[in-house]
Amino acid sequence: GIQVEQSPPDLILQEGANSTLRCNFSDSVNNLQWFHQNPWGQLINLFYIPSGTKQNGRLSATTVATERYSLLYISSSQTTDSGVYFCAVETRSNYQLIWGAGTKLIIKP
Amino acid sequence: KAGVTQTPRYLIKTRGQQVTLSCSPISGHRSVSWYQQTPGQGLQFLFEYFSETQRNKGNFPGRFSGRQFSNSRSEMNVSTLELGDSALYLCASSLLPSGNTGELFFGEGSRLTVL
Repeated sequence: GIQVEQSPPDLILQEGANSTLRCNFSDSVNNLQWFHQNPWGQLINLFYIPSGTKQNGRLSATTVATERYSLLYISSSQTTDSGVYFCAVETRSNYQLIWGAGTKLIIKP
Repeated sequence: KAGVTQTPRYLIKTRGQQVTLSCSPISGHRSVSWYQQTPGQGLQFLFEYFSETQRNKGNFPGRFSGRQFSNSRSEMNVSTLELGDSALYLCASSLLPSGNTGELFFGEGSRLTVL
């Protein structure tokens, strides 16, 4: 089946820093979504981005579907950005959502 | 506009018991999917319902089942609980079913502990 790999697995930054999170997938997909899971377990939809680039405030994402990767950019990090960031892809074969293992981000004040 | 509501938020059961979890999707959303999250296996797809029909099922044993009602609310049931069923169970709702560019919105989850 399709493999979804996220890097880095862990990232510790000072407040104000910028970061880039990566998601690689091993096969063509219908769509790709980025989520942020806060310390209480709530998953928040950040971007629905099967291809192209989107921006929402300090966050932006780019998916290059032909090269099978997506990047999530966080600028001017804040402590509230801490948590785990997941990418999830919908397979073309059976429309199931396959998740990466996540990047755990800690922003220190 | 209310978000996705999951109940109960926390529960403790013992091995062999069964549990029923409930999910009310965002108003107007007809697709509900369920996911299990554990430290060891990460997030895994359980099943998806759209208009009361199961559209898709992940690789879980038959002890895991679900259903969707005419008002789009969904329940999942786990019978004969095992220690390994301890997990955060997450429900997501979507306007469109999978395969049709459905953006997902998640509830806060139901955290199940099996003793």
